[in-house]
Amino acid sequence: GAGVSQTPSNKVTEKGKYVELRCDPISGHTALYWYRQSLGQGPEFLIYFQGTGAADDSGLPNDRFFAVRPEGSVSTLKIQRTERGDSAVYLCASSVHRGLQETQYFGPGTRLLVL
Amino acid sequence: AQKVTQAQTEISVVEKEDVTLDCVYETRDTTYYLFWYKQPPSGELVFLIRRNSFDEQNEISGRYSWNFQKSTSSFNFTITASQVVDSAVYFCALSEKAAGNKLTFGGGTRVLVKP
Repeated sequence: GAGVSQTPSNKVTEKGKYVELRCDPISGHTALYWYRQSLGQGPEFLIYFQGTGAADDSGLPNDRFFAVRPEGSVSTLKIQRTERGDSAVYLCASSVHRGLQETQYFGPGTRLLVL
Repeated sequence: AQKVTQAQTEISVVEKEDVTLDCVYETRDTTYYLFWYKQPPSGELVFLIRRNSFDEQNEISGRYSWNFQKSTSSFNFTITASQVVDSAVYFCALSEKAAGNKLTFGGGTRVLVKP
C-alpha cells in the first residue's frame, strides 16, 4: 500500500515568511508524528497526534510552530515568521495505535530552506 | 530523561567485510522499545527492527543481526558480508513507555561500503 507522503518535497522561503508543510499518513494509522532533522544529526521529536488532538507537543521549539490534524488524517505543520535556523528536513511518521510503542513509518520529508 | 549515543560517526569498509554499529542508551523506565532505522542517500528513514525491553533475544534477519544487552544498555547492529547498497546512515532510537510514543534518536552512523 501507499506509504507516508509529504508535500512539498522542497520549500525555499525568505526569512519572516509563513510556511505550511503537509503530511498524509498511511491509511488506517491513527497516530501521526512530526520530527525535524538538521544536517548531520538525528531526527528530533516535535509533536505527536493521536486522532485529531495533539497528545504531546513538548518538542515544538517555540510558539512560531503549530500543527493541526482537523480530521484525524492529514496534518499540516505551520511555521510563522520563519528564521534561518528553521532550515532543516521536516519528517512525518505514522503508526497504528494499540496502546503500545508501535513502529513509526516515515515519509520522505520536506526540505525547508530559509534564506 | 532518555538518551541514545552512537559513538561512531562514520565507518568505511570494503565490500564483503562485516561491520558492527554500536548503540548505547540511557533510560529510567523499565518498559522501553529500541529501534534501528536506515537512511539511504534518498533521505527516507526505513524501519529495520523493533525490540522491547523484556525481550533480550538476539535476532537475525538475512545479513543483519542485532545484539541486545540490558546489562550494558547496548543494542548493537551487525551487517555481515556488506554490500555497496548498505551504504547509508543508520540510526538507533529509543521510546520509553512513560514518555509516550516519541522516539529519541542517536546521532547516526554513516556507513560507506566501497566496492
